[in-house]
Amino acid sequence: NAGVMQNPRHLVRRRGQEARLRCSPMKGHSHVYWYRQLPEEGLKFMVYLQKENIIDESGMPKERFSAEFPKEGPSILRIQQVVRGDSAAYFCASSLGLAGEEQFFGPGTRLTVL
Amino acid sequence: EDKVVQSPLSLVVHEGDTVTLNCSYEVTNFRSLLWYKQEKKAPTFLFMLTSSGIEKKSGRLSSILDKKELFSILNITATQTGDSAVYLCAALSGGSNYKLTFGKGTLLTVNP
Repeated sequence: NAGVMQNPRHLVRRRGQEARLRCSPMKGHSHVYWYRQLPEEGLKFMVYLQKENIIDESGMPKERFSAEFPKEGPSILRIQQVVRGDSAAYFCASSLGLAGEEQFFGPGTRLTVL
Repeated sequence: EDKVVQSPLSLVVHEGDTVTLNCSYEVTNFRSLLWYKQEKKAPTFLFMLTSSGIEKKSGRLSSILDKKELFSILNITATQTGDSAVYLCAALSGGSNYKLTFGKGTLLTVNP
């Protein structure tokens, strides 16, 4: 019963480096969502993707952040030139794609920027 | 701006107590209200509520939604130490996307 998989679980980067976070949705799920949880804050929506399409990226910072969900392989959240403020837990969720289906979350990637 | 507010932010009780967690929301294109339990890892799905006034139950947990007053409650009866966690409330938007707007959570600590 493989749930949503994320890797790495922990990632340490120095300022200016790139961070790549991967998410494999639950089997049969074609919709992926990325959320960020800053210390002492709730989960904040970043982006919603279907295979090869970005549906809603209204929660993504305008610069340095990008996301993709290719036809084959996991969804990738990419952060270029990381800064200390990017340190957070990044969670991926997936859903079947039917209207209003609940989203199931992965274990998250904890990014630390030194 | 979409908003979800949970109260209390934290709560300490003894085993066996009953707790009620509150969640109010203001979300455009509201579809459903979801509750998750988070224990230092992935939020674990508890309930999804779409209809007003219909209680959902799972063991000692139950939840209900009031779409007129825009709030939901999560009840936990006969609490156990294993119930200690952050409980997250999230409003699911519809329209062309299905994003979740989360509250900050309620940290529940159940002492033996």
